[in-house]
Amino acid sequence: RKEVEQDPGPFNVPEGATVAFNCTYSNSASQSFFWYRQDCRKEPKLLMSVYSSGNEDGRFTAQLNRASQYISLLIRDSKLSDSATYLCVVNAGSSNTGKLIFGQGTTLQVKP
Amino acid sequence: EAGVVQSPRYKIIEKKQPVAFWCNPISGHNTLYWYRQNLGQGPELLIRYENEEAVDDSQLPKDRFSAERLKGVDSTLKIQPAELGDSAVYLCASSLAWVNNEQFFGPGTRLTVL
Repeated sequence: RKEVEQDPGPFNVPEGATVAFNCTYSNSASQSFFWYRQDCRKEPKLLMSVYSSGNEDGRFTAQLNRASQYISLLIRDSKLSDSATYLCVVNAGSSNTGKLIFGQGTTLQVKP
Repeated sequence: EAGVVQSPRYKIIEKKQPVAFWCNPISGHNTLYWYRQNLGQGPELLIRYENEEAVDDSQLPKDRFSAERLKGVDSTLKIQPAELGDSAVYLCASSLAWVNNEQFFGPGTRLTVL
């Protein structure tokens, strides 16, 4: 089983749609969770951290369910510029070391 | 502020040849990471440096890969000899510290081994 699993997609949605991505992780001791965004042939960039209480940044909402070891990202009112690959990222263990485990990414294509 | 700088951006070599990648992290970032990203996959950590010390190299294939960060600033990753399966994007990242700090990635070096 992979340490971080995501549905690779692609998710093809029209502009204005709401889309949700899910991610599961295997290490119950993990303490830090993130979503990174990676544009085609570019480097990954931090989109948002994921907190236990859930957090929102504009049109983006991230949620964490520790009991189910599950992370989600919700994008509302999708824009063409949201088209990218979204990487679910989990730290490797309980000590919050810098070692991050990346999922394979979920590709989103927003169409006009 | 300049981001993480990597060179070259692209490299094409024949198998069994050596290759080296260079990375200059963001100024003041003590922690430097080398990742490998295969097509359709997320980045995988190869090695992490705290200043000049390699503190996690457990996933570095040491028979052919080596890395150094002699003065605790820029870093070089080398492969010798390269194999077909080494074709990937090699990403360098840096962060202020290793605990819960955002990692900033460079543009990567796209390696093709023929």
